[in-house]
Amino acid sequence: DAGITQSPRHKVTETGTPVTLRCHQTENHRYMYWYRQDPGHGLRLIHYSYGVKDTDKGEVSDGYSVSRSKTEDFLLTLESATSSQTSVYFCASNDRDSAGEQYFGPGTRLTVT
Amino acid sequence: GQQVMQIPQYQHVQEGEDFTTYCNSSTTLSNIQWYKQRPGGHPVFLIQLVKSGEVKKQKRLTFQFGEAKKNSSLHITATQTTDVGTYFCAGPENTGNQFYFGTGTSLTVIP
Repeated sequence: DAGITQSPRHKVTETGTPVTLRCHQTENHRYMYWYRQDPGHGLRLIHYSYGVKDTDKGEVSDGYSVSRSKTEDFLLTLESATSSQTSVYFCASNDRDSAGEQYFGPGTRLTVT
Repeated sequence: GQQVMQIPQYQHVQEGEDFTTYCNSSTTLSNIQWYKQRPGGHPVFLIQLVKSGEVKKQKRLTFQFGEAKKNSSLHITATQTTDVGTYFCAGPENTGNQFYFGTGTSLTVIP
């Protein structure tokens, strides 16, 4: 597996609090992605990045923001967490955008109470 | 927006039986990828198909990409307990950088 880590792996937070999830990759991949996984929906793209400081919205971006100040790090922020954002979040990366295999991190299970 | 649906959502088979999952997109895909996710794990890439009508095999797994590049299938021959997991198709929209995963098919293999 590619060297992709996510932190934290588990988090419980209260409604209205800000939350930041971190994705770190050691493969020098240009492209990075944040997905959420919910039963019955598969994985849905939240935001993606095609380079340092270059990001764009995915299918379900409302309520989320991202930042990428270094090639290896991609941060996902929930400005004010809601219960509907309870989910498993996966980060992925690759070096050939949509034409290439994506390598996934282990996931972060977020519960918003 | 674009939708990528998979059927069935769940499939239980006896070990040794065959299994097929079907993937249908509402729009044309430039390529189709398949991923496997073991229970509690993360998605792992299996294969990518690019050409219309393409067929690829990996041991007991056969992957097809439809002529119109809007559908795909994964067939497993003689399932084994190691095949347990959820299988996802995925692909980018034909224009732009959005990437869509299918809803997934969860496979249970009964020994």
